[in-house]
Amino acid sequence: GAVVSQHPSRVICKSGTSVKIECRSLDFQATTMFWYRQFPKQSLMLMATSNEGSKATYEQGVEKDKFLINHASLTLSTLTVTSAHPEDSSFYICSAPAQGRPFGELFFGEGSRLTVL
Amino acid sequence: LAKTTQPISMDSYEGQEVNITCSHNNIATNDYITWYQQFPSQGPRFIIQGYKTKVTNEVASLFIPADRKSSTLSLPRVSLSDTAVYYCLVGEADSWGKFQFGAGTQVVVTP
Repeated sequence: GAVVSQHPSRVICKSGTSVKIECRSLDFQATTMFWYRQFPKQSLMLMATSNEGSKATYEQGVEKDKFLINHASLTLSTLTVTSAHPEDSSFYICSAPAQGRPFGELFFGEGSRLTVL
Repeated sequence: LAKTTQPISMDSYEGQEVNITCSHNNIATNDYITWYQQFPSQGPRFIIQGYKTKVTNEVASLFIPADRKSSTLSLPRVSLSDTAVYYCLVGEADSWGKFQFGAGTQVVVTP
């Protein structure tokens, strides 16, 4: 089956530094990927849509200059949290649709837990 | 995007059937209903999708009445490993993937 992998699974950084999270589709090509953020005991919040070969589309209220998204290839999207602060600590998850599957069937990565000290 | 309402939590014992009902009163003609399961510290996993009537797969069944204003996810004979949060999402192909996750239903299965 289609697999989406994220790296790193956990990262701890100091306030003010930048952190990059990778999302890879391992056995299929993904022209579109989605990035979510999930705070403890809360639901997933869609942050942005990552498009291969073009700029990402951000949801209302998400700062595009703070959360840099680059869809470098058909199998890789990266999310960079720039100048991270403690309030950016969260669980970041990516997803991608796979061709030939129902449109609502997204394949999610394992998630990346970011802790900003 | 249609808004969904689900119970916050449900408790069950092993071996029982669990039915989670989701309300989506303003569902649009082109909207499909999709359910996901999420374990702690993991990404969600697709369970089932349907448009109307009944859909069944190896994991669950999805019942959708004629007016489509609600849907019920049925998990037969649950086990401890079915303890998770279950999300009901509604959306159409044109907004493919841009699902807004609601609060979900925390299902707790005990021995």
